[in-house]
Amino acid sequence: QLQLQESGPGLVKPSETLSLTCTVSGGSISSSGYYWGWIRQPPGKGLEWIGTIYYSGATYYNPSLKTRVTISVDTSQNQFSLKLSSVTAADTAVYYCARHLSGSYERASDYWGQGILVTVSS
Amino acid sequence: DIVMTQSPDSLAVSLGERATIDCKSSQSVLYSSNNKNYLAWYQQKPGQPPRLLIYWASTRESGVPDRFSGSGSGTDFTLTISSLQAEDVAVYFCQQYYDTPQTFGQGTKLEIK
Repeated sequence: QLQLQESGPGLVKPSETLSLTCTVSGGSISSSGYYWGWIRQPPGKGLEWIGTIYYSGATYYNPSLKTRVTISVDTSQNQFSLKLSSVTAADTAVYYCARHLSGSYERASDYWGQGILVTVSS
Repeated sequence: DIVMTQSPDSLAVSLGERATIDCKSSQSVLYSSNNKNYLAWYQQKPGQPPRLLIYWASTRESGVPDRFSGSGSGTDFTLTISSLQAEDVAVYFCQQYYDTPQTFGQGTKLEIK
């Protein structure tokens, strides 16, 4: 059974960089055709797609966040990571990693991590 | 961005009754080359991640009870729960993955009447 687990600091100071890692178990991140994404959800609010990566390193970002986001992959560790720079209180959210259905990043997400709450505060 | 608008924002239905949630996209999410609607439905319970219920507007994800069904095409879509069970209490989201960025509806909170 595929499992995804987010890890990283739960508290980040304003103007600093948020860094999270998603560890994939029960399957290979290099499996052909699967794309891996980050989605966030501010407390009590809706869902926002942040971006997606393929094991080759190809990335796809939400234009509204593109200038601040970097997603990378480490196939040797079966992990992919998110960096979001210059954070503000508006970036406070539960951050989820997820797998897209096979074939493209333009797919629904069938496996999700449990999520990690990241609070931006001094 | 494609704006996804769900209605209603909240809904109370009696156990065993039908529940319907609508989702409207600001532009068509039907890809003409493959005749697929790039539309998904998710269920989210408190403290849990979203769970994929339906993709391609009407394809049920493995393990999802058959009381859940999706319909619609183009810009107008519906999630139907044919006979509401207590465990269906949740927030439901629609999502379009036709265009970048992928976008979600604001959510519909489903409760028991």
